[in-house]
Parts: sequence; C-alpha cells; structure tokens
Amino acid sequence: EAGVAQSPRYKIIEKRQSVAFWCNPISGHATLYWYQQILGQGPKLLIQFQNNGVVDDSQLPKDRFSAERLKGVDSTLKIQPAKLEDSAVYLCASSPTGTAQETQYFGPGTRLLVL
Amino acid sequence: GEDVEQSLFLSVREGDSSVINCTYTDSSSTYLYWYKQEPGAGLQLLTYIFSNMDMKQDQRLTVLLNKKDKHLSLRIADTQTGDSAIYFCAESRVNAGNMLTFGGGTRLMVKP
Repeated sequence: EAGVAQSPRYKIIEKRQSVAFWCNPISGHATLYWYQQILGQGPKLLIQFQNNGVVDDSQLPKDRFSAERLKGVDSTLKIQPAKLEDSAVYLCASSPTGTAQETQYFGPGTRLLVL
Repeated sequence: GEDVEQSLFLSVREGDSSVINCTYTDSSSTYLYWYKQEPGAGLQLLTYIFSNMDMKQDQRLTVLLNKKDKHLSLRIADTQTGDSAIYFCAESRVNAGNMLTFGGGTRLMVKP
C-alpha cells in the first residue's frame, strides 16, 4: 500500500512570495490533515478535511493560508504572502474515517525556508 | 502554557531502558499516542493507549498512564542505537474528532 505522498520535499522562497504544497493521501482515506511543525516543536494542526469538506480550520491563519481538497482526494496548501515565521515543515496526514482511535498516517513533509 | 509537555532531551546507553515522560492537561483526553520521528522523516505511530487503560505493552515498548496525575510514559526496553529519534506524545479529545495535540518532543540519544 502506497503511503502519503507530498511534494515538493524542499522549498526556499523569499518573504512576500507565494508557495503551494501538494498532498496525495492513502487511497480510500476520507480524512486529510495539514500540520505545521516549526523547528524544535511538535506538529500543530492547521486544517482537517473530511472528504472535500472542512472539519476544523480554527488554527489556520486565514489571512495568508488557504487549503482545498476539491475532489475529496488530493489537497493543496497555499501561503500567500509568506512571512519569515512560516519557515517550518508542513506535514500531511490521512486516516480512513477520522474517528478518534484511528491511526493517522503521515507523509514525509515539505520543508519550507522563507528568506 | 502548553497542553502537552515533555522534557527536551534524554541520553541512555545501548542496552539500558529508556523512559520518556509526558504530562497533559485535558481530562477529556480519549486516546494518548506515542510517535517517533527520525531525521528528515515523517511521524511514525509507535503505540497508543485508550484513556480507561493504565498500561499497554507491545514488544519492547511499555506505555503507562496515570490518569489522576495526567501523566503518560513510554518505556523502551533494551534500547538500541536505532531508537535514537525524537519521540512525541499526543492526545485526542472528546468531541474533537481525530484532532491531535502534540507535545514538543523528546530527543532520545542512544550511546553505543
């Protein structure tokens, strides 16, 4: 079974530029999560999708971050414009139905550096 | 303060046992998890425990939960150099679906 795929693996941009990350969850998984992991910290949930609907985006900085999962499969996370403090690893995870006892499967992450 | 707290660093010798500790604040936590993260890699689920349990053992891993003190620990028996990584404690809560709240991670260094 293929795991969660993310691209790109690394991205370097200048502040005020835009950037987009892509995630392909495990086939058949209804729930998709985007996490931000700042160096030296644990991951923080940004947004959770159930199929193509948003379940929780309370910690997403909506003035600059946006995410979509239009067909309920792949997802993109965009930052526009980027700030220095957005430098982090962006992790995507998926789970079959999103219930509390389910394992979340994580992708390798996209490492973003904002200069 | 942090909802989930962990000590930053632990160093042990190969063959010894490692104990990584975690405290959490929300009494409505339903499941508590331990994840492992190796350099440049995503998070790997090691084990989890339901909040009505006090112990779970899985091969070299033992999870202890003290719900009264809101304290969770992960014991790794016969620690190997391949166990060197960052270990994250995480919780999920009632009425929060599968949303996870992570601690800051404990870096485990295993010396040969």
